Amino acid sequence: QLQLQESGPGLVKPSETLSLTCTVSGGSISSSSYYWDWIRQPPGKGLEWIGTIFYTGRDFYNPSLKSRVNIFVDTSKNQFSLRLSSVTAADTAVYYCARRDYDPNYGMDVWGQGTTITVSS
Amino acid sequence: DIQMTQSPSSLSASVGDRLTITCRASQGIRNDLGWYQQKPGKAPKRLIYAASSLQSGVPSRFSGSGSGTEFTLTISSLQPEDFATYYCLQHNSYPLTFGQGTKVEIK
Repeated sequence: QLQLQESGPGLVKPSETLSLTCTVSGGSISSSSYYWDWIRQPPGKGLEWIGTIFYTGRDFYNPSLKSRVNIFVDTSKNQFSLRLSSVTAADTAVYYCARRDYDPNYGMDVWGQGTTITVSS
Repeated sequence: DIQMTQSPSSLSASVGDRLTITCRASQGIRNDLGWYQQKPGKAPKRLIYAASSLQSGVPSRFSGSGSGTEFTLTISSLQPEDFATYYCLQHNSYPLTFGQGTKVEIK
């Protein structure tokens, strides 16, 4: 079955750029049936949607992060990635990737296990 | 942006209790809503999609209802493994938005 696995540096310094990758296994990222999302959760807080990408490269972002975030897809590697620039301590969170159905009725059905990112000097 | 107001933010309950959690959308979202359960240190797990459809493998004590702006998640008889935090998520329009979460604790 489909699995998602996040990978990233663990620790990022303030003002630097965070880069995360989600590797898709057991299915193709090039499916026209799904979007691919990034979500984050600061320690002890709720979930925040960051943005999404379709295999064609079509993307949408949360306006609260839009000026700092970029999501892109690499279909040859079956991966999609997140870049978040100018990070601060407020970007410390668990970052999840997820698959979401193209039909807005269905939502996110498969999630990665999450990767913890700490912003600190 | 569509705001999702979830209530209560926390509750204490006993095994066997019936629970209802509510999410209210700031504008109509048809039935483009899901409910998720999250346990500490784990990724969210989908329980309900399309507001009222039970995810495969999820016990039938979980149910969802609603359409438009008012949605509910009901647990008919709380089990020990149900103590967790629950979130609603609207995926009708961008940006996607979650409710603030409901933490269900043991009384």
